[in-house]
Amino acid sequence: GENVEQHPSTLSVQEGDSAVIKCTYSDSASNYFPWYKQELGKGPQLIIDIRSNVGEKKDQRIAVTLNKTAKHFSLHITETQPEDSAVYFCAAHLSGGGADGLTFGKGTHLIIQP
Amino acid sequence: DTEVTQTPKHLVMGMTNKKSLKCEQHMGHRAMYWYKQKAKKPPELMFVYSYEKLSINESVPSRFSPECPNSSLLNLHLHALQPEDSALYLCASSPAPQGSYEQYFGPGTRLTVT
Repeated sequence: GENVEQHPSTLSVQEGDSAVIKCTYSDSASNYFPWYKQELGKGPQLIIDIRSNVGEKKDQRIAVTLNKTAKHFSLHITETQPEDSAVYFCAAHLSGGGADGLTFGKGTHLIIQP
Repeated sequence: DTEVTQTPKHLVMGMTNKKSLKCEQHMGHRAMYWYKQKAKKPPELMFVYSYEKLSINESVPSRFSPECPNSSLLNLHLHALQPEDSALYLCASSPAPQGSYEQYFGPGTRLTVT
């Protein structure tokens, strides 16, 4: 099965600075990599995703990069704001013959210091 | 609209009770999922339904019984649970079972077993 490692477990940055969260995956057959933001008491919210045929994707202050050779992908948040404080999960989807769930990393608690 | 709804929001039950969790989506998605999330941990896949048929059961104890009455509804029937089953139960849906499609999560049901 797939195994996803995520680092760091906690990240504290000053408001306005950038934040980077990194993940590695084990199975080269994985082909879809979403990122979720989870605020306290809420379900995970899909914020950006990338497919294995793309190297980078950007959506306003958020970007994701994928290096298939090294089997790692990263989330970049620029100009961080207090509302970015949350737990962020990376995930990998192993495409098989049918429906599959996601394998998640352990999560990064992002703290934006005012 | 990417909304998945779950009821109830909170549930407290004794170990001898029988209760059910409900999940609903009206996005026309054909795959639905149950995940379990313990505090400060990532979501863990429990069940996957593909076109209203159970396609994956991740070795979940029989005290958890899923049901998919139609393409919009997903239930999780609970019976004789243990205190260690206390967790946030998340439902998700995705447009199609195959391929690398995004999954949308509901807000979850916070379950406490006493």
